[in-house]
Amino acid sequence: GAVVSQHPSRVICKSGTSVKIECRSLDFQATTMFWYRQFPKKSLMLMATSNEGSKATYEQGVEKDKFLINHASLTLSTLTVTSAHPEDSSFYICSAGGAEYNQPQHFGDGTRLSIL
Amino acid sequence: SQKIEQNSEALNIQEGKTATLTCNYTNYSPAYLQWYRQDPGRGPVFLLLIRENEKEKRKERLKVTFDTTLKQSLFHITASQPADSATYLCALRDYKLSFGAGTTVTVRA
Repeated sequence: GAVVSQHPSRVICKSGTSVKIECRSLDFQATTMFWYRQFPKKSLMLMATSNEGSKATYEQGVEKDKFLINHASLTLSTLTVTSAHPEDSSFYICSAGGAEYNQPQHFGDGTRLSIL
Repeated sequence: SQKIEQNSEALNIQEGKTATLTCNYTNYSPAYLQWYRQDPGRGPVFLLLIRENEKEKRKERLKVTFDTTLKQSLFHITASQPADSATYLCALRDYKLSFGAGTTVTVRA
């Protein structure tokens, strides 16, 4: 089945630093990838849609300058949390696939980001 | 506004029993509804997709129903096992895939 790999699985860093998270589709090409954020005991919230070779589409309320997305190839999208602060601490999950409505999305295993 | 509500936050059942989870939605007209499983600290894993013209779909011990009149889907785990313990999410797609908050199922041995 389709596999999506996300790295790193856990990051702890100081306030003010930037953190990059990678999302790779291992056995298929993905022109579109998705980035979600999940708070404890809450649902996944879509942050942005990453489009290969073009700008990402951000959901309302998501700061595009804070959460930089790059989708430079058909198998790799990156999310960079810039100048991270404690309120950016969360569980970030990427997905790929599901280009058609009758297709499921395949998720990475998430990145636990903790900003001290 | 659009809402996806999973009625029970947590469900505790005895091994061997059937777990039934509910997903209700408002202000959607979905052609498809999806169910995912999420284990702690992991990403969701796709389980089943059901189309609006399918009343029921099965996969091994899992069964999903979809009633577009009631705007509701039921998710059943039959002959439950401790390994079925996880959070189960329903999801609907318009221009994006939106999730309910999930129901955490705990199966006691």
